[in-house]
Amino acid sequence: DAGVIQSPRHEVTEMGQEVTLRCKPISGHDYLFWYRQTMMRGLELLIYFNNNVPIDDSGMPEDRFSAKMPNASFSTLKIQPSEPRDSAVYFCASSSLVLRSGYTTSNTGELFFGEGSRLTVL
Amino acid sequence: GEDVEQSLFLSVREGDSSVINCTYTDSSSTYLYWYKQEPGAGLQLLTYIFSNMDMKQDQRLTVLLNKKDKHLSLRIADTQTGDSAIYFCAESTNSNSGYALNFGKGTSLLVTP
Repeated sequence: DAGVIQSPRHEVTEMGQEVTLRCKPISGHDYLFWYRQTMMRGLELLIYFNNNVPIDDSGMPEDRFSAKMPNASFSTLKIQPSEPRDSAVYFCASSSLVLRSGYTTSNTGELFFGEGSRLTVL
Repeated sequence: GEDVEQSLFLSVREGDSSVINCTYTDSSSTYLYWYKQEPGAGLQLLTYIFSNMDMKQDQRLTVLLNKKDKHLSLRIADTQTGDSAIYFCAESTNSNSGYALNFGKGTSLLVTP
């Protein structure tokens, strides 16, 4: 498998423009995560999906951010309108874990990360 | 969510041991993880420890877990320049609806010749 694939790798845009980041998870993985990395705040979980359904979007910073997963092999993170403070590296990760409190599992819950999309908003 | 805490920087000389420390928050975490991020790349799982273990050794890596103090450490023996990277501690968080990993801010390890 090619791993988690993200595009674009780099994007430079002007304030107010719409930005769409894309992710293709590893085939067979039923969890997909979007993280944002900045120097100041580290790695923040924005939203995650299970079987294409958003489970927790409490990390999405504002209504300007939206994420979709129309099928098991594709997800988008959209920022509209973009602002300079959105500049960051955005990571997508996927996993095949099924882990619940009180259950044992041979699955370690490993997340597989893409190489990230570096966004610069001028 | 609550914070997973790590020191931000560590500098060691090549050949010495490195110890990266972390405190986590969720006492019900089933697994605790160390991820490594090299420049310009995503995070990759380095090692993990199951919550009912105190120690795990994997070649040059030793993970120690103190559940009472919610303290996790990663020791790298005979540190090499290729070990220079950012190391993230992460705890698993469970809820009725799902699962996620809560990451620390990362420790930048610099290995000098």
